[in-house]
Amino acid sequence: DAMVIQNPRYQVTQFGKPVTLSCSQTLNHNVMYWYQQKSSQAPKLLFHYYDKDFNNEADTPDNFQSRRPNTSFCFLDIRSPGLGDAAMYLCATSSVGAQYFGPGTRLLVL
Amino acid sequence: QKEVEQNSGPLSVPEGAIASLNCTYSDRGSQSFFWYRQYSGKSPELIMFIYSNGDKEDGRFTAQLNKASQYVSLLIRDSQPSDSATYLCAVNFGEDTGRRALTFGSGTRLQVQP
Repeated sequence: DAMVIQNPRYQVTQFGKPVTLSCSQTLNHNVMYWYQQKSSQAPKLLFHYYDKDFNNEADTPDNFQSRRPNTSFCFLDIRSPGLGDAAMYLCATSSVGAQYFGPGTRLLVL
Repeated sequence: QKEVEQNSGPLSVPEGAIASLNCTYSDRGSQSFFWYRQYSGKSPELIMFIYSNGDKEDGRFTAQLNKASQYVSLLIRDSQPSDSATYLCAVNFGEDTGRRALTFGSGTRLQVQP
């Protein structure tokens, strides 16, 4: 089945220790997104790629970076996680219109 | 600031009733609208999308769009306890600029009582 896959599903890191979250897709969609979602809040867009073109949201902290080495994979790098970065990180893809989400990675910062 | 507004709830309905979930949005020029269901601790799952004024039905779900009033709703007929979840409304504000990302509301929590 075509799908969006995220690894790991749960990630525990220490304050200030870099962490990388990964996303892959078999849908061959040209757009990939990273969202941050905290409890009882709307998903917040961090950035998205349209093919290789990177689009950063104005309020996304510099602490968050992304890489998309090819159509299928996209990575979220958090350079120095703080306690406030603990959240669910959602990867999504789209081709025309609707976005399809992966299962998410829950990040815990100790 | 382009916004999507939803009542946070919880909206409580008895099993078998119709649940009505509402959403308003700030940009009259918006063209595409989406409803997602999110179970606690899980990622959002697309239920329906609607582009044109009027109703769109899919099984027990009906999406209703009124662009003049900037209002979109989701009706769930014959509600089941398994429908208990948070429902997120999402709007694409940027077709004219090529922006492809959706703006999400904070969701309405639905509780279906057995």
